[in-house]
Amino acid sequence: QSVLTQAPSASGTPGERVTISCSGSRFNIGSNYVYWYQQLPGTAPKLLIYSNNQRPSGVSDRFSGSKSGTSASLAISGLQSEDEADYYCAAWDDSLSGPKGWMFGGGTKLTVL
Amino acid sequence: EVQLLQSGAEVKKPGESLKISCKGSGYSFTSYWIVWVRQMPGKGLEWMGSIYLDDSDTRYSPSLQGQVTISGEKSLSTAYLQWSSLKASDTAMYYCARSITMIGDPFEYWGRGTLVTVSS
Repeated sequence: QSVLTQAPSASGTPGERVTISCSGSRFNIGSNYVYWYQQLPGTAPKLLIYSNNQRPSGVSDRFSGSKSGTSASLAISGLQSEDEADYYCAAWDDSLSGPKGWMFGGGTKLTVL
Repeated sequence: EVQLLQSGAEVKKPGESLKISCKGSGYSFTSYWIVWVRQMPGKGLEWMGSIYLDDSDTRYSPSLQGQVTISGEKSLSTAYLQWSSLKASDTAMYYCARSITMIGDPFEYWGRGTLVTVSS
């Protein structure tokens, strides 16, 4: 069971806006940056959002990130078929006991209907 | 262009040893951390550990410490992930990625992955 919790699946139709959530604790999301990675089928992950809401150069502005307290969200607007992928949130966890290090959410598989 | 070139797929038997590699190019290799990420079949991503190639400062995931060894050779711009005795449960895709710092920065560039299959 992942320290960061994501719904296993999400879906939407082309053109729709979809939101993927990531829930954590004060030891990870609550006190550190959140990152989002996109993994297209059969490929390596790709950085999509860094520092909660920043997009790397080359990432479409249809992707946006936000954070509030111990939760974070990735929003995808104008959904396209090529957005069908697995999406992972990540954050550093600095618990005094228990997990410590980089934590990933379990991933959300996005299906474009 | 930043590239991380990973070694090819491996098929091993339980109990055998293995060392896979990740060679960086297109940037100053010793100025960045290399991280290793595991993805077991049909599962999510899991951070295994990170190494700073300039001084070989290495950090491990608490859940994996002792099960693998991360090392590097800065003269070759290469990081390594090794096992002394593989288990069937080590079957996975292993990715290396680059990060500016240990904690405060993302894994911005990724290798294509090395598939490790452990089967008798």
